[in-house]
Amino acid sequence: QKEVEQDPGPLSVPEGAIVSLNCTYSNSAFQYFMWYRQYSRKGPELLMYTYSSGNKEDGRFTAQVDKSSKYISLFIRDSQPSDSATYLCARRRPTVYGAQKLVFGQGTRLTINP
Amino acid sequence: DGGITQSPKYLFRKEGQNVTLSCEQNLNHDAMYWYRQDPGQGLRLIYYSQIVNDFQKGDIAEGYSVSREKKESFPLTVTSAQKNPTAFYLCASRRGGYTEAFFGQGTRLTVV
Repeated sequence: QKEVEQDPGPLSVPEGAIVSLNCTYSNSAFQYFMWYRQYSRKGPELLMYTYSSGNKEDGRFTAQVDKSSKYISLFIRDSQPSDSATYLCARRRPTVYGAQKLVFGQGTRLTINP
Repeated sequence: DGGITQSPKYLFRKEGQNVTLSCEQNLNHDAMYWYRQDPGQGLRLIYYSQIVNDFQKGDIAEGYSVSREKKESFPLTVTSAQKNPTAFYLCASRRGGYTEAFFGQGTRLTVV
């Protein structure tokens, strides 16, 4: 089982819809998570980061962590065509060397239709 | 402006040649990372470095090498031993003790 798993989609929704993007993780020991947005042929852009359970909101974006089900979600309200991109979830965890490793899901490709 | 600079943006390599991808950051970040991304795929970790003069192999290190002689620089060499080097390469950095990591704009390497 991969450390972080994400449905690759593609996901297509109409403009204005609420979008729900999800990831699951396999080890509940480390609870630092990030969501990135990546436009085609560009580097990923950090949207939000969160720790442990609960919600974190930033404008139209809400990140949610459910420890009991090992589920992390990103919700986009009032979706816009400019939100069309690939969304990557990531997790930070320590390694045996004392360094911090960043593990990514496969990414979900999202299209918002005008 | 602070940020992460990857160069070149596009790189073409002949089979059997080594090439070096540059990654420079002026964010004073401690940790730096190299990832590879193939079409329709997520990011796979090649190498990472927590501090100067120290680095560890990631999940797909074979055929790659790195150095970390300066805090702001983490170059990646793609050697001829890498059998399928055509990909999009991404460099990231992170401040020690913080979760969020930031990425450069990537280098697209094509073997011709």
